[in-house]
Amino acid sequence: DADVTQTPRNRITKTGKRIMLECSQTKGHDRMYWYRQDPGLGLRLIYYSFDVKDINKGEISDGYSVSRQAQAKFSLSLESAIPNQTALYFCATSDADRGGNQPQHFGDGTRLSIL
Amino acid sequence: SQQGEEDPQALSIQEGENATMNCSYKTSINNLQWYRQNSGRGLVHLILIRSNEREKHSGRLRVTLDTSKKSSSLLITASRAADTASYFCATDYGSSNTGKLIFGQGTTLQVKP
Repeated sequence: DADVTQTPRNRITKTGKRIMLECSQTKGHDRMYWYRQDPGLGLRLIYYSFDVKDINKGEISDGYSVSRQAQAKFSLSLESAIPNQTALYFCATSDADRGGNQPQHFGDGTRLSIL
Repeated sequence: SQQGEEDPQALSIQEGENATMNCSYKTSINNLQWYRQNSGRGLVHLILIRSNEREKHSGRLRVTLDTSKKSSSLLITASRAADTASYFCATDYGSSNTGKLIFGQGTTLQVKP
């Protein structure tokens, strides 16, 4: 979905480095999510946010932090990267409540490799 | 983990044939969604079925939901080579209208020309 942009698309870095992945959206959605995808495991939720300054932990938040300083931007940080954080990372957005039945819109992902 | 199960994990068919993928889940849900992922790309939403619905259609897609069996199926009719992708079910579960999704592990579909 071109309305959800992730940068960078690919990143190779070393163990112990701090990394930030950026997500920006032009859909005007309030809700934003960060997932990681590992082969054979589907997508797992890391953090989600329903509004600026609203942060909620997902299924696998340990080792990650996020920041939502503006409605359109949601960044994911790895404070001290480790090799098992090598994965494909996706940002997604959704519209707010309308009975909760809203689809999510995904960016094209960031492929992160930690050596 | 409350992750759903999908089967088969991989499916290979000829163009023009129908493809059926199944999804089972563990908890009560608000809705169930199906997504497609082309290689190297993000997920694209295909269809959403609410917990009080039993069947839904969108073009060549047909989704069924059986809440008593906690299962869903996605049928793609008259498949095309362009349907080659991975397909994921995702359940929107729990109270508080969080919109949080639990994804299955996916079915990889190959449609041969």
